[in-house]
Amino acid sequence: QSALTQPASVSGSPGQSITISCTGTSSDVGGYNYVSWYQQHPGKAPKLMIYEVSNRPSGVPDRFSGSKSGNTASLTISGLQAEDEADYYCSSYTSSSTVVFGGGTKLTVL
Amino acid sequence: EVQLVESGGGLVKPGGSLRLSCAASGFTFSSYSMNWVRQAPGKGLEWVSSISSSSSYIYYADSVKGRFTISRDNAKNSLYLQMNSLRAEDTAVYYCAREDLLAVAVMDVWGQGTTVTVSS
Repeated sequence: QSALTQPASVSGSPGQSITISCTGTSSDVGGYNYVSWYQQHPGKAPKLMIYEVSNRPSGVPDRFSGSKSGNTASLTISGLQAEDEADYYCSSYTSSSTVVFGGGTKLTVL
Repeated sequence: EVQLVESGGGLVKPGGSLRLSCAASGFTFSSYSMNWVRQAPGKGLEWVSSISSSSSYIYYADSVKGRFTISRDNAKNSLYLQMNSLRAEDTAVYYCAREDLLAVAVMDVWGQGTTVTVSS
């Protein structure tokens, strides 16, 4: 159950787009379309932003989008806003019927 | 309002035990699978355990297997995590999270977390 691999940090200016990658294996990310993305502000609980690779829950802005290619999933945030500054975590269902999270990516809005 | 409220955290010595609770409200608890997820200080999220709606299916992370036990009481709308043989590395904020009804491994509602500190 090794954690999925995410970049430790990314940054962008307001209005720009950024992409966060999430790399796993064929036993998790690559084997299922069950990748989710969570946003976490300091001291707060995580919030679901994307599920099943590219689906957005109601209330999540369409600036947030997800995709997957092979063993790597990606979260793209377009039109960056100051309130998007947070930690982002990917997660995936695994072949062991468990869940594995990524190590997290700190997004800084410059 | 859909809500999850964790309780039971605290300071415990290495080797000790603690039982966490999660009270659910605002939804039909008995219909949903539930999860525990933890976050060590300054670290990322780590999935701990999950339990299906009727307790038929239970899974654990390797890091807690044999030491932690997840359970639920649908009559009381409550989720539990019994933690035994606690280690320093179990120190974390523990969140309970509801699993979406239709989407696999999707945690759509989270509690505010309860803090567990394992230290002598």
